[in-house]
Amino acid sequence: EVQLVESGGVVVQPGGSLRLSCAASGFTFDDYTMHWVRQAPGKGLEWVSLISWEGGTRYYADSVKGRFTISRDNSKNSLYLQMNSLRTEDTALYYCAKEVAGTLGYWGQGTLVTVSS
Amino acid sequence: EIVLTQSPGTLSLSPGERATLSCRASQSVTSSFLAWFQQKPGQAPRLLIYGASSRATGLPDRFSGSGSGTDFTLTISRLEPEDFAVYYCQQYGSSPHSFGQGTKLEIK
Repeated sequence: EVQLVESGGVVVQPGGSLRLSCAASGFTFDDYTMHWVRQAPGKGLEWVSLISWEGGTRYYADSVKGRFTISRDNSKNSLYLQMNSLRTEDTALYYCAKEVAGTLGYWGQGTLVTVSS
Repeated sequence: EIVLTQSPGTLSLSPGERATLSCRASQSVTSSFLAWFQQKPGQAPRLLIYGASSRATGLPDRFSGSGSGTDFTLTISRLEPEDFAVYYCQQYGSSPHSFGQGTKLEIK
């Protein structure tokens, strides 16, 4: 069974940094592209970033480009999102997702990031 | 960036009725790389449809997707009580992989 468990969400001040993690199990992690998606409280979904199976291809939403960095450690079956220069508008539930047929086939339950002074 | 516009914003229907949800793209979606997701309160989204018309594993056949280019549709042929939720379309043919703003399907 595919399991994705996010962690690292906390309350952080504007301008601060945070690293989110996603622990994957139940599948061969290094075969799959992985994604981060976020959802602000009471709002819709926003795709954030993706990383290819070997880490060579990374894409970002314009809203996070230059501030967030996606990475992975295939030896640890883990996905990461380094978030710098955080803004209040980055407040959201952050999901990691496993790609299936090019899109978001499996999702974790999310980790909440709150950016507030 | 491809902007996806979903309509209507809210759809009020009764169980047993047919639901038609629309997703329009600001430019053509590459190779019909268009997906639909369902999200219920307090839950993560669930993949329903990918490639515009392919059903995800285990999805009941009352759900169907259609369309190409810039116009896509999710149809639920006969609504069951568990189908009332928020539905999102997403294009994944080009980066960024944008979502529509969602359609809330509510019980009338």
